[in-house]
Amino acid sequence: AQTVTQSQPEMSVQEAETVTLSCTYDTSESNYYLFWYKQPPSRQMILVIRQEAYKQQNATENRFSVNFQKAAKSFSLKISDSQLGDTAMYFCAFMKLRGAAGNKLTFGGGTRVLVKP
Amino acid sequence: DSGVTQTPKHLITATGQRVTLRCSPRSGDLSVYWYQQSLDQGLQFLIQYYNGEERAKGNILERFSAQQFPDLHSELNLSSLELGDSALYFCASSVLAGGGFNTGELFFGEGSRLTVL
Repeated sequence: AQTVTQSQPEMSVQEAETVTLSCTYDTSESNYYLFWYKQPPSRQMILVIRQEAYKQQNATENRFSVNFQKAAKSFSLKISDSQLGDTAMYFCAFMKLRGAAGNKLTFGGGTRVLVKP
Repeated sequence: DSGVTQTPKHLITATGQRVTLRCSPRSGDLSVYWYQQSLDQGLQFLIQYYNGEERAKGNILERFSAQQFPDLHSELNLSSLELGDSALYFCASSVLAGGGFNTGELFFGEGSRLTVL
């Protein structure tokens, strides 16, 4: 079974600064996706960024980027130029790639990020 | 708007009662997933249906059951409710019918908040 670990329960960052969230995972799969989801106070689950394991290039979405280290099974999220709207719970998630029916996400425990003005 | 609709948004009931949560997936998505999020916790996978059939099962209690209907909407039935069942229940969908490209992403509804008193 896959496990996802987020070792930082809470982090705070000043507005406009950078924060990095850690995530490690354990799997014997070779093909998989990794995700970061954001859950603001509204509780909606919002996809932030996705990384395919077969791609060596790290994914980037505007101010969000990842550092994917496949051998180390590490998948960190960097938020640059933090904005007040980034205040949320962030979840790292793993999905193995098998079949055409779609696969479940396995989530980490989450990191609460507070952006301070 | 993710395109996934969950009803009801809020539900308050008493211990021992039974409730049904409903989910309509994105148009054309064949897979439906149910997750439970207890207070300040991560999301726990309960069950997945694909085109009407159970596809994967997580830590779903025997008191809980689900099904997916021919029109692809899904229902999660929770019975003999206990205080500890109070949580936010998310439905998500993925995989377009007709050979649509599967990006791996799960699209989440806004959740149904269940309070058991």
